[in-house]
Amino acid sequence: ETGVTQTPRHLVMGMTNKKSLKCEQHLGHNAMYWYKQSAKKPLELMFVYNFKEQTENNSVPSRFSPECPNSSHLFLHLHTLQPEDSALYLCASSQVPTDTQYFGPGTRLTVL
Amino acid sequence: DAKTTQPTSMDCAEGRAANLPCNHSTISGNEYVYWYRQIHSQGPQYIIHGLKNNETNEMASLIITEDRKSSTLILPHATLRDTAVYYCIVFTGGGNKLTFGTGTQLKVEL
Repeated sequence: ETGVTQTPRHLVMGMTNKKSLKCEQHLGHNAMYWYKQSAKKPLELMFVYNFKEQTENNSVPSRFSPECPNSSHLFLHLHTLQPEDSALYLCASSQVPTDTQYFGPGTRLTVL
Repeated sequence: DAKTTQPTSMDCAEGRAANLPCNHSTISGNEYVYWYRQIHSQGPQYIIHGLKNNETNEMASLIITEDRKSSTLILPHATLRDTAVYYCIVFTGGGNKLTFGTGTQLKVEL
């Protein structure tokens, strides 16, 4: 569980706020991912980074802005979100994109 | 990636083996079978994966049929803490997408 950490664990924000989610992996991996899990829905892949370069954007609205300053850190910047964006946001990492992915505990986001 | 079919829910008595089935009849030769579980509102936890041979680790065993069209995850001595949703996923890795379905809700009871 300490391999991939996410902060904060819970976040409540208004639609006009700007906030950021942080993910850090301590596994020496080179690929990192953001997933979204809405209530009673399967996980949806949002973004993939490999060696700090974004390799996939799964048609995510521009109000979600990822940033990967190095292979160990991944951020998701949030602005002008909608209530339907309320969900569990999960970060994962893997050695390379074809390898086993390990997940963090998630950030439970509520947009009011 | 190929699609998987799992029962919606299963019950198991604590201390007994939990056998979770998965059908993946359209699996390709280069696709691995992965198992993850997710305890309520936590991140998915990797359990085990395999290609053709049966696999065992400290958490579970994975039995893959010879034709690779189905597999079974075995938790040898289930505990209450094993109550979770278990996801069977077939994955090549080439498309990056680890596609989670609806999984099996395993409930371990006293």
